[in-house]
Amino acid sequence: KQEVTQIPAALSVPEGENLVLNCSFTDSAIYNLQWFRQDPGKGLTSLLLIQSSQREQTSGRLNASLDKSSGRSTLYIAASQPGDSATYLCAVQGSQGNLIFGKGTKLSVKP
Amino acid sequence: GAVVSQHPSWVICKSGTSVKIECRSLDFQATTMFWYRQFPKQSLMLMATSNEGSKATYEQGVEKDKFLINHASLTLSTLTVTSAHPEDSSFYICSARPSTGSSYEQYFGPGTRLTVT
Repeated sequence: KQEVTQIPAALSVPEGENLVLNCSFTDSAIYNLQWFRQDPGKGLTSLLLIQSSQREQTSGRLNASLDKSSGRSTLYIAASQPGDSATYLCAVQGSQGNLIFGKGTKLSVKP
Repeated sequence: GAVVSQHPSWVICKSGTSVKIECRSLDFQATTMFWYRQFPKQSLMLMATSNEGSKATYEQGVEKDKFLINHASLTLSTLTVTSAHPEDSSFYICSARPSTGSSYEQYFGPGTRLTVT
């Protein structure tokens, strides 16, 4: 059974810092991996999607990497801003299309 | 494009009553929709996969007679929580997969906060 773990559970940094969020999964037979952002009481916003054949994806200040063989992904956020404060969710997708989520990392960026 | 709405955004109901939550794809057709549940400080857990015109597929441990899913059209799926109890209080989120396009595409609704008193 696929399990997704995110470390740390919470992170507080001062504005301007670069930071890394970690995600690990137990079954490397994934279709893709996605990083989402969730604001309190809100739905999900897809940030980056990495296909199983890819190593990384970039969007603006965000960079996500995938090492399928070791079951790991990282989300790198450069020059963090208070507006980046949210919970970041990692999810892997199997061939059936369903997503399996981690518990998330709650990020707080202090001005 | 690719907007998914949910209604209501929040609902409070009394124990023993039933609550219906709607999930709509506003600008695309969705053959498949997914229903997730999120308890505080927990990850989103898939409850069921809803396919238009056929019975939903429920994940292990989810009672199909308690969580009724109807996907009657290509733009609407409903989740009815029957005989709700306080332990059903949670954040329910749906997602919709476009009928055309890749199988990995899913667009999420804003969620529905259910509180059972």
